[in-house]
Amino acid sequence: DTAVSQTPKYLVTQMGNDKSIKCEQNLGHDTMYWYKQDSKKFLKIMFSYNNKELIINETVPNRFSPKSPDKAHLNLHINSLELGDSAVYFCASSQGFGPRVYYYEQYFGPGTRLTVT
Amino acid sequence: GQQVMQIPQYQHVQEGEDFTTYCNSSTTLSNIQWYKQRPGGHPVFLIQLVKSGEVKKQKRLTFQFGEAKKNSSLHITATQTTDVGTYFCAGPPVEYGNKLVFGAGTILRVKS
Repeated sequence: DTAVSQTPKYLVTQMGNDKSIKCEQNLGHDTMYWYKQDSKKFLKIMFSYNNKELIINETVPNRFSPKSPDKAHLNLHINSLELGDSAVYFCASSQGFGPRVYYYEQYFGPGTRLTVT
Repeated sequence: GQQVMQIPQYQHVQEGEDFTTYCNSSTTLSNIQWYKQRPGGHPVFLIQLVKSGEVKKQKRLTFQFGEAKKNSSLHITATQTTDVGTYFCAGPPVEYGNKLVFGAGTILRVKS
């Protein structure tokens, strides 16, 4: 049973297009995240949701819009894709909420490798 | 802004040699977590340290959290080819503990 799943695994698209990545977790966790990992492997948080409520919104261009229809799903929509958006995007989830959430391990999905040409 | 640095960026060792990666934060961390990412894979949680000066072991892996809760280390004894991957430390800053800040990672390659 996959704990955190993402689709698609690979996404190749042209500049200017709009695309979405979907994430689902079956762990019953309250908090979900989107991370971006660049070509140098640097992992940076983009968004965090707790029970469908946006908690963290890092300095991400507003072309990126997360949406959480329920606490098991967190999707990421990207408008007007740019070359610099090419990266691996990881969804993650963890138990807990509030300041204590970071005392819980995060479970990462397999990642979506986005290539913008 | 708060930064978490990791050194070295890259290490290539002979199988059987030891390996250490160091993690240094510019601010005090509430706790520190370590993750391992195999090539082509996703980060997987290894361990968490919470107390100042804490030391934990997992078989050949030894993790330490500094007294000031600003640095940490991961030491692998007698590396094996299965240890290959990128090791990340991550922690929430005490001042604004609303996110995990990840270090840049240390890439470990093991020659057999």
